Amino acid sequence: QQPVQSPQAVILREGEDAVINCSSSKALYSVHWYRQKHGEAPVFLMILLKGGEQKGHEKISASFNEKKQQSSLYLTASQLSYSGTYFCGTEMGASGGSYIPTFGRGTSLIVHP
Amino acid sequence: NAGVTQTPKFRILKIGQSMTLQCTQDMNHNYMYWYRQDPGMGLKLIYYSVGAGITDKGEVPNGYNVSRSTTEDFPLRLELAAPSQTSVYFCASSSPGTSGDTQYFGPGTRLTVL
Repeated sequence: QQPVQSPQAVILREGEDAVINCSSSKALYSVHWYRQKHGEAPVFLMILLKGGEQKGHEKISASFNEKKQQSSLYLTASQLSYSGTYFCGTEMGASGGSYIPTFGRGTSLIVHP
Repeated sequence: NAGVTQTPKFRILKIGQSMTLQCTQDMNHNYMYWYRQDPGMGLKLIYYSVGAGITDKGEVPNGYNVSRSTTEDFPLRLELAAPSQTSVYFCASSSPGTSGDTQYFGPGTRLTVL
């Protein structure tokens, strides 16, 4: 079951904040976040396991709400280098019969000077 | 470590031709994956493998075949190429554990079928 990402696109000015959401209709074991620059491969940002934890990576952090089956990626004080497409990948784990991730369609983030 | 390497980087095929996309990883990961990425559609899983000698279908396996004879290599075979197979193909590897599962992606192969 493909997770749903929102919004589809975000346009920001440098220094502004953004939130990207990822939700699933199934119970989740983990959520991954990746960033892909145009013409390049996706690059891992962080992974969150069930338990409602929050993680940070420089000015990028994420939360995972197991009950709501959703995760949010927070980008604060955005920089030009944050531009790209952000993907979430979800795994359902043993309860859902799979540790193979399924990816959302992506959220395009454009940061202007 | 080179990580995940893919060859070729670009390829143009004629309808009906066949080819093999190569993927190699040097991280001793047991899981390997093949994805295709079409514009605006995210990553679709074609096939995956949880170890040498074990492969399984993903979401969009039709028109493709894989094999996994070694831990390092996971080639993807296209038989009778069709225009619908025009896409960017990514190979990835991971080693799932108690701390989760980080996927490492190769640089991709851009395939055009004319």
